[in-house]
Amino acid sequence: QSVLTQPPSVSAAPGQKVTISCSGSSSNIRNNYLSWYQQLPGTAPKLLMYENNKRPSGIPDRFSGSKSGTSATLGITGLQTGDEADYYCGTWDSSLSAKVFGGGTKLTVL
Amino acid sequence: EVQLVESGGGLVQPGGSLRLSCAASGFTFSSYAMTWVRQGPGKGLEWVSTISGSGGTTYYADSVKGRFTISKDTSKNTLFLQMNSLRAEDTAVYYCAKEGGGGGDYEINYWGQGTLVTVSA
Repeated sequence: QSVLTQPPSVSAAPGQKVTISCSGSSSNIRNNYLSWYQQLPGTAPKLLMYENNKRPSGIPDRFSGSKSGTSATLGITGLQTGDEADYYCGTWDSSLSAKVFGGGTKLTVL
Repeated sequence: EVQLVESGGGLVQPGGSLRLSCAASGFTFSSYAMTWVRQGPGKGLEWVSTISGSGGTTYYADSVKGRFTISKDTSKNTLFLQMNSLRAEDTAVYYCAKEGGGGGDYEINYWGQGTLVTVSA
């Protein structure tokens, strides 16, 4: 049981938009920055978004992040087959003094 | 260019020990916190442990507390994870990761390729 809650899977057609939610609590999402990670099949995770809505260099602006209260959302527009991956949210939990991740969401581009 | 190269994984019997290493390059090693994250077969990411940039503060997941020890050798730009009393549920790919700041509460901005640890008789 993950501290952060994500939907197990989402799907959409190429060119469409999809959102992935991440739900937590006051001790993690509300009071700390949230990050998103993309893990393509058979590869190591990669940072996709940090400090809630900032994109590292090289991440296209098709990817966006937002946070409100104890929840956060990753948005992906103009879906491509290359976006098929597992997506994880992560943050620090101040009560646990631990880094926490969501259970991951598998994105399928139909 | 940041590079993180893990080594030391392998097959170990339940109750055994293993020491993972992570050779880091391309950044000032003492300025950034370093983290180990693992991923069991077909499972999601699980945070294991973090050490601050200075090495003075360490954090552990409850599942490994008392069994695993994180450390770093700044002179050799190397991160370690000493794993004792290994259990079958510790079987996973272990990723070495660099954080975006010196404490333990930053994003992970670089990941190694991972090293597989298998605990089995």
